[in-house]
Amino acid sequence: EVQLVESGGGLLQPGGSLRLSCEASGFTFNRHWMSWVRQAPGKGLEWVANMNPDASERNYLASVRGRFTIFRDNAKKSLFLQMNSLRVEDTATYYCAREGLPFARDVWGQGTTVIVSS
Amino acid sequence: QSALTQPPSASGSPGQSVTISCTGTSSDVGGYNSVSWYQQYPGKAPKLVIYEVNKRPSGVPDRFSGSKSGNTASLTVSGLQAEDEADYYCLSYAGTTFLYVFGTGTTVIVL
Repeated sequence: EVQLVESGGGLLQPGGSLRLSCEASGFTFNRHWMSWVRQAPGKGLEWVANMNPDASERNYLASVRGRFTIFRDNAKKSLFLQMNSLRVEDTATYYCAREGLPFARDVWGQGTTVIVSS
Repeated sequence: QSALTQPPSASGSPGQSVTISCTGTSSDVGGYNSVSWYQQYPGKAPKLVIYEVNKRPSGVPDRFSGSKSGNTASLTVSGLQAEDEADYYCLSYAGTTFLYVFGTGTTVIVL
């Protein structure tokens, strides 16, 4: 079964750091671009970052560039999002998604929740 | 980069059709045949229903169809069923500066 499982969410104060993880199974992980997408409570979806299969290219939403880092370990079939200098507005459910079809995210994890609050 | 514009809600009776619009600019929707659509139930992860404007992934019913004209893409759900009641989001590639932008989301209500 093709599956993505996120972990690492939590409650923390503004300015804190957190690392999200996404473990893939059921497909050849090192052949796919991977993304992080977030959704604030009661709000819409927002693309956050993506990375190419060999980790040589990464892209970010402007508001997280310089604070978040996307990286991957193909040997462990895992995608990560290192989040530093967290802000209240980063509060959201963070989804890991596979870019398995042109420009589209065809497999999604269940999400992990990050709450930034003082 | 602003979110693509979708109507907040759309509704139809069972068996009818509903069409959702997704309006952007020539820098995103109008500039690339990259629009995809996602269905999301409350508290659940999104599910891809259309990619590259009008292609259906395996397993998605042919009741779901997509199109694009200029800077506006559309998703049509024909033969509405109760299970189609959900939130729907469009997504477009927006070039090398902004990469990707989602729509504001539309709640489809089956009357």
